[in-house]
Amino acid sequence: GQNIDQPTEMTATEGAIVQINCTYQTSGFNGLFWYQQHAGEAPTFLSYNVLDGLEEKGRFSSFLSRSKGYSYLLLKELQMKDSASYLCAGYDSNYQLIWGAGTKLIIKP
Amino acid sequence: KAGVTQTPRYLIKTRGQQVTLSCSPISGHRSVSWYQQTPGQGLQFLFEYFSETQRNKGNFPGRFSGRQFSNSRSEMNVSTLELGDSALYLCASSPGQGDVDEQFFGPGTRLTVL
Repeated sequence: GQNIDQPTEMTATEGAIVQINCTYQTSGFNGLFWYQQHAGEAPTFLSYNVLDGLEEKGRFSSFLSRSKGYSYLLLKELQMKDSASYLCAGYDSNYQLIWGAGTKLIIKP
Repeated sequence: KAGVTQTPRYLIKTRGQQVTLSCSPISGHRSVSWYQQTPGQGLQFLFEYFSETQRNKGNFPGRFSGRQFSNSRSEMNVSTLELGDSALYLCASSPGQGDVDEQFFGPGTRLTVL
């Protein structure tokens, strides 16, 4: 089967670090995306990982372990504007994107 | 470059009616994908069009259909609307040349079925 799982909601404090996990089971694997979606807005691209390891982009980093079917998005120095939903999506063997339900991140002062 | 545009932004229909949604991709992008987004289900893939041909299809009933025109603009049609079709419908465009593409999303059309 093809499935992507991520927590429904997380809460963190402004200035802190948060890790949002994503696990996937697909018939094949051709890379994993992270998108950010603010309430009432369209999703916007954050990162794409196809090889194992950590990729850093400023305050945001994304990690992938293909052997474990696992990825995480790490957000550092949290700001109030980071309050949003974070969507994980993976390509299956047919290059069809399978999306997780999204993790709603709530930032508290 | 202008982003992905969708019209209309909001729509209210009644059960049994049909609806057509429109999506204009980023200039130069030839692939358009359509998604349904609901609070509990997340993004559900409807279909993808590339060069006027449906390239991929999700698990939605035949009431959901789409097409793409020669200028890459795409339309999605839902016939015999049901209450459960109430959702945000997003389209996303990408160059479509490679197997893996970053998707650029439009603002969505929020459909309410009464």
